[in-house]
Amino acid sequence: GAGVSQTPSNKVTEKGKYVELRCDPISGHTALYWYRQSLGQGPEFLIYFQGTGAADDSGLPNDRFFAVRPEGSVSTLKIQRTERGDSAVYLCASSLSRAGEQFFGPGTRLTVL
Amino acid sequence: GIQVEQSPPDLILQEGANSTLRCNFSDSVNNLQWFHQNPWGQLINLFYIPSGTKQNGRLSATTVATERYSLLYISSSQTTDSGVYFCAVVGVTGGGADGLTFGKGTHLIIQP
Repeated sequence: GAGVSQTPSNKVTEKGKYVELRCDPISGHTALYWYRQSLGQGPEFLIYFQGTGAADDSGLPNDRFFAVRPEGSVSTLKIQRTERGDSAVYLCASSLSRAGEQFFGPGTRLTVL
Repeated sequence: GIQVEQSPPDLILQEGANSTLRCNFSDSVNNLQWFHQNPWGQLINLFYIPSGTKQNGRLSATTVATERYSLLYISSSQTTDSGVYFCAVVGVTGGGADGLTFGKGTHLIIQP
């Protein structure tokens, strides 16, 4: 069984550009989460999907960040007008159900120049 | 929101030693997980343990939910145990209700 996959593994972009990060959860997992990890810190929660809907987006830092999960499986995190402070590793996790054990993907390292 | 404190922040041990890592949390939890983050950044699941005791080889964990703490035990340490150990919880109440709140981690170095 495949784990959580994320693409790309690395993304370098210029300040002001738009980026999309993709997450493919474990098959059958209805819950999907996005986190962001800065150097030397623990991951910080961004948004949680149950099925197709964003059940909790309280961790999104501002309106430049948006995420979708249109068919209840793959999710895309979208960042508009990127800033240097957005540089971090973006992690995706999935779980079988709400409050269930979460399994993490390898992350996408985003660098904004 | 819920607060998670891990101790010690750093730990250096010789190969073969035993260690205990602690995680304190400020509210009741629906989920508590221990992770090992390897040098490539991958978060590896160690335990899903909102309460009780579990063991997996040289590792074991205990969560005392009523006293709001969890302990991770590593016995007979190996150099491959080096890395950062995170405790993460989902609180019963509060914002970010279903996302994990992580502690700052314990950075473990096992010397040969």
